[in-house]
Amino acid sequence: DAKTTQPNSMESNEEEPVHLPCNHSTISGTDYIHWYRQLPSQGPEYVIHGLTSNVNNRMASLAIAEDRKSSTLILHRATLRDAAVYYCILSIETSGSRLTFGEGTQLTVNP
Amino acid sequence: DTGVSQNPRHKITKRGQNVTFRCDPISEHNRLYWYRQTLGQGPEFLTYFQNEAQLEKSRLLSDRFSAERPKGSFSTLEIQRTEQGDSAMYLCASSLGPGANYGYTFGSGTRLTVV
Repeated sequence: DAKTTQPNSMESNEEEPVHLPCNHSTISGTDYIHWYRQLPSQGPEYVIHGLTSNVNNRMASLAIAEDRKSSTLILHRATLRDAAVYYCILSIETSGSRLTFGEGTQLTVNP
Repeated sequence: DTGVSQNPRHKITKRGQNVTFRCDPISEHNRLYWYRQTLGQGPEFLTYFQNEAQLEKSRLLSDRFSAERPKGSFSTLEIQRTEQGDSAMYLCASSLGPGANYGYTFGSGTRLTVV
């Protein structure tokens, strides 16, 4: 499975935008880029996913580099409830679409 | 639709005992996945089903582990002769179709403690 690289931790202030980076230099043409987040003692929660174009939903935006070797998850206005571990994952249908999680980025949101 | 439901939420068992966990996916989702997560690590893939067929198993799934999904609805994960190393959070996820393009919905997990 192609791997992703994320910073171990990031900090943000409440109500400010947050940009969470992810590098995936070995991505292949059929890999989807997924983002999930996980709060303590809960299962991961789907945030957003995309293939080539930038994506927006009610939770976040996903900006994908033109060469697809990196992407950025954007939380437009961080809240305290956004404090979580954020995972950037590549998913490919030929692997049964299983997700290979890394260690993710621990996001701390300061009031 | 109440999402993916997992039972029990917590299980404490003595080493050597058998345990069984249940996962009820979102009703129209035909794909179901099991993951295991230890403290401080991301979830690790164990196995997945498309309808009732078990299509892939990780090498993490030793002979003591067995998963079933009869009739393509709920799924069970059984661990026989539990060991302390089996202590972890066991997560179930489901997706409507190819998860790569649909996303996954996870349950809250079953936390297993082997004493």
